[in-house]
Amino acid sequence: QVQLQESGPGLVKPSETLSLTCTVSGGSISSYCWSWIRQPPGKGLEWIGYIYYSGSTNYNPSLKSRVTISVDTSKNQFSLKLTSLTAADTAVYYCARGSYYYDSSSRAHYYFDYWGQGTLVTVSS
Amino acid sequence: SSELTQDPAVSVALGQTVRITCQGDSLRTFYASWYQQKPGQAPVLVIYGKNNRPSGIPDRFSGSSSGNTASLSITGAQAEDEAEYYCNSRDSSGNHLEVFGGGTKLTVL
Repeated sequence: QVQLQESGPGLVKPSETLSLTCTVSGGSISSYCWSWIRQPPGKGLEWIGYIYYSGSTNYNPSLKSRVTISVDTSKNQFSLKLTSLTAADTAVYYCARGSYYYDSSSRAHYYFDYWGQGTLVTVSS
Repeated sequence: SSELTQDPAVSVALGQTVRITCQGDSLRTFYASWYQQKPGQAPVLVIYGKNNRPSGIPDRFSGSSSGNTASLSITGAQAEDEAEYYCNSRDSSGNHLEVFGGGTKLTVL
């Protein structure tokens, strides 16, 4: 059974950089697509970005200037860095595995099949 | 458009059938996936693709799609189905971005 576990600080000061790591167990990170998703208190889900095991990335345009996602296949981990934090970045941060399948027209359809439990990050001085 | 629109809240009587919808241009290209989230818990995948359920998801959950609208149906809703439900798909702009709907709070009466 694949399991994901987020780790990192729970409290970060404004203007500083958030660094989170997601450790994948029960399966190899050397396939699939790996995402970070966040959820501000009482609000909906917001996709931050993903990385393929190959290292190629894609980011939410609204966060792109502040986000970096990297992967360390030797440790079966991927990481998130988010710079210039403000109170609006306070949220539960989830890591998730992205999978896909091909339909009869050979089009790929994507979904998140495994999620970490989430870690609350509060931005406050 | 990169947006997915969901009704904020829906209610259903215990044992009845409910449909939760998700609208967006990207759904003309990609199937939606659906996630159930209970308070204080991580989202759980309940439907993906045309109408696929992960292992462990009850068969009262089903999915369908028509045009720009995807639907999640629960046939014979149970008290434990009360939760927030989110739809998700890839953006159809060609930029391969992910997008989530705003969520629907399901209340089982």
